[in-house]
Amino acid sequence: EVLLVESGGGLVQPGRSLRLSCAASGFNFDDYAMHWVRQAPGKGPEWVSGINWNSGRTDYADSVKGRFTISRDNVRNSLFLQMTSLRTEDTAFYYCARGISGTTGWFDSWGQGTLVSVSS
Amino acid sequence: EIVLTQSPGTLSLSPGERAILSCRASQSILNSYLAWYRQKRGQAPRLLIYNASKRASGVPDRFSGSGSGTDFTLTISRLEPEDFAVYYCQQYGSSPLTFGGGTTVEIK
Repeated sequence: EVLLVESGGGLVQPGRSLRLSCAASGFNFDDYAMHWVRQAPGKGPEWVSGINWNSGRTDYADSVKGRFTISRDNVRNSLFLQMTSLRTEDTAFYYCARGISGTTGWFDSWGQGTLVSVSS
Repeated sequence: EIVLTQSPGTLSLSPGERAILSCRASQSILNSYLAWYRQKRGQAPRLLIYNASKRASGVPDRFSGSGSGTDFTLTISRLEPEDFAVYYCQQYGSSPLTFGGGTTVEIK
């Protein structure tokens, strides 16, 4: 069974940093691209970032480009999102999602999400 | 950026009825690279359809997708209780990947 478990969310002040993690199990992690998708309360999902299987390609939404960095560790079967210069509009549930190849595609498995709240 | 517009915003139907949901793109989606998801309250989205018409693993055959270019449709042939939820379309034909605003299917 595919399992994705996010962690690292919490309450943080604007301008500060936070690092999210996603632990993957139940599949060959290095066979898949991985993504972060966020969803503000009461809103639709918003794709944030994607990374291909060997970290050779990454892509970001314009809203986070230059502030967020996606990375992965295929030995530890883990995905990360380093978030800096956080803004109130970054408040959302952040989901780790499994992709297909490259940095595009659909998301066939999702974690349960971790809540990031940016507020003073 | 491709903007996806879903309609209607809310669909009020009874169990057993057919639901037809629309997703319209601001420009043609390459290779019909469009997916559909169902999201129940308090849960993560679940993939239903990819490549516009292919059912994901384990998805019941009451769900079907169609369309190409800029106009896509998700049809639920007979609504089950678990189908009353929010549905999103998502395109992956070009970056950035984008989602529609969602259609809520509620019990009439």
